[in-house]
Amino acid sequence: ETGVTQTPRHLVMGMTNKKSLKCEQHLGHNAMYWYKQSAKKPLELMFVYSLEERVENNSVPSRFSPECPNSSHLFLHLHTLQPEDSALYLCASSQEGRGSHEQYFGPGTRLTVT
Amino acid sequence: DAKTTQPPSMDCAEGRAANLPCNHSTISGNEYVYWYRQIHSQGPQYIIHGLKNNETNEMASLIITEDRKSSTLILPHATLRDTAVYYCIVGSAGGTSYGKLTFGQGTILTVHP
Repeated sequence: ETGVTQTPRHLVMGMTNKKSLKCEQHLGHNAMYWYKQSAKKPLELMFVYSLEERVENNSVPSRFSPECPNSSHLFLHLHTLQPEDSALYLCASSQEGRGSHEQYFGPGTRLTVT
Repeated sequence: DAKTTQPPSMDCAEGRAANLPCNHSTISGNEYVYWYRQIHSQGPQYIIHGLKNNETNEMASLIITEDRKSSTLILPHATLRDTAVYYCIVGSAGGTSYGKLTFGQGTILTVHP
């Protein structure tokens, strides 16, 4: 596997379910990101982990809970979601400390909340 | 981070050069200009970035004006597979240790036969 992978690619869940999205980067990067892309809206940054520490949480509701167990893996735990949480969830990684911010994105998980 | 302004859509004939403009008049001295693109329902793809000088890679060229208030992404020979939303983003680490990129609406580039 190369680049950034995300599983599952598609997920349908009810409002009372608990599920997790997984992201894995094979690039040796030290920062990882979760973005949300709703229909016809720009990408919104949700969480940032740098060197496995959460460094940004953009006022995301607590029903979204990130976890970064090591520099290669990032999870987004979901519980009691709302239909408006249906969106494309994108993971990205980058190598920070070089002064520029090339982020490499995964293919995304298309989430539908019913 | 500085804001950017891009046209909402552009068309280009296959095989011709696609020139995508971006205005970033409030850019500050340590901010880079990044270009990403997003093909329908896929994750964004990094294309190129620059600070002051023009840059070229295997995908595209980036021309930044001398005052850095605008830039142009050039796809020299557009193909149908270049149809995508193109995002111009200005970003800087500032006091942070990670890259904070703010995506706007971008330019929808349609390449037609």
